[in-house]
Amino acid sequence: SQQGEEDPQALSIQEGENATMNCSYKTSINNLQWYRQNSGRGLVHLILIRSNEREKHSGRLRVTLDTSKKSSSLLITASRAADTASYFCATAPDRGRRALTFGSGTRLQVQP
Amino acid sequence: NAGVTQTPKFQVLKTGQSMTLQCAQDMNHEYMSWYRQDPGMGLRLIHYSVGAGITDQGEVPNGYNVSRSTTEDFPLRLLSAAPSQTSVYFCASSHRPTSGTGYEQYFGPGTRLTVT
Repeated sequence: SQQGEEDPQALSIQEGENATMNCSYKTSINNLQWYRQNSGRGLVHLILIRSNEREKHSGRLRVTLDTSKKSSSLLITASRAADTASYFCATAPDRGRRALTFGSGTRLQVQP
Repeated sequence: NAGVTQTPKFQVLKTGQSMTLQCAQDMNHEYMSWYRQDPGMGLRLIHYSVGAGITDQGEVPNGYNVSRSTTEDFPLRLLSAAPSQTSVYFCASSHRPTSGTGYEQYFGPGTRLTVT
């Protein structure tokens, strides 16, 4: 079963608008990561937030983590057409199998 | 650095055939993983390895074998291909996590496999 579930499944916005994607997960985590996948390509790591952090920034990306609600959000500000991609959250467990579990992704379309 | 490389990029198999998907990394990463990605779904972990000589099963290991004889290489073997194994396969690698760092994964470009 998927540990992380993204919401919404698809999102279409205009260039310059902000895009927000959410991720929920089920078990305790060591960290949560967001990845981007352009069509037909492999995944690229965007940002990692540890379980003891609440917010992290990287350029136009802002990630929040609420471990009490087992949820995270990814905000892309001032979006560009080049941000069009699928975005996945992935959770790293705090014990047990040392491998990431990915959600099903949000497909973001940014209209120029 | 070439990063994570995968071969082939595309492959068509007939049901019952076997083949090996190749994966190599030149970043001296301890961890390597194989995922499959099906339409509308995220990545599902097939097998992973935390170092040479050590492998373990992921979510969907049936029908696949792996071995890790070197740090650099982590081949995935399909024993007897089935149409249900039609998918895009990604290999990934990362450093061993420590208490101070997470383990960001680096992905290869993928192998698109069709089983008829």
